[in-house]
Amino acid sequence: GQNIDQPTEMTATEGAIVQINCTYQTSGFNGLFWYQQHAGEAPTFLSYNVLDGLEEKGRFSSFLSRSKGYSYLLLKELQMKDSASYLCAVRDWAGGGNKLTFGTGTQLKVEL
Amino acid sequence: GAVVSQHPSWVICKSGTSVKIECRSLDFQATTMFWYRQFPKQSLMLMATSNEGSKATYEQGVEKDKFLINHASLTLSTLTVTSAHPEDSSFYICSVGIFGTDLNQPQHFGDGTRLSIL
Repeated sequence: GQNIDQPTEMTATEGAIVQINCTYQTSGFNGLFWYQQHAGEAPTFLSYNVLDGLEEKGRFSSFLSRSKGYSYLLLKELQMKDSASYLCAVRDWAGGGNKLTFGTGTQLKVEL
Repeated sequence: GAVVSQHPSWVICKSGTSVKIECRSLDFQATTMFWYRQFPKQSLMLMATSNEGSKATYEQGVEKDKFLINHASLTLSTLTVTSAHPEDSSFYICSVGIFGTDLNQPQHFGDGTRLSIL
């Protein structure tokens, strides 16, 4: 099975930078994904890492270390609309290679 | 535009009723669809993997006789919650798995169905 851990809640200030960590354990790692989910809505894809290193997409960056089973999502220039739940998801080779297992999610609150 | 269409978006019904939720892939053929359930302030929990033309694969602890999945075509999967009870009230989300074309975004999600059983 898989074990994915994220902090439950975080609070940050508008305009600041916040880092959301995710640790995982899996036997057949095939990629790590970050999703944003606003209350009552479906998740929205943010980023994908399969190799070690940093992937940057505008205000969002995601980092992966496969040897450490660790990833983080970095959000820069925080805006109020970034208040949401951020889900870390791991894909493994089970289930045909496209099955995702989600972490518990980190509820981010952006304050003025 | 939307890649996955999920219907209905909101259902309120009496205990004992069976409820069917549809998930449609709009722009491409999907051999695999996924059904998730999400309780308030919790993460998405995979319920089952729906495979076109064959039986669904259920996750441990999910009752296959209660949550019936049918994936009869390459663009439609349905989840039927049979004899629903208040504890089945949840947010149900489907996603479509894409093989080969864009594994960087392995699943496209529907907008979800909010199910409330009275």
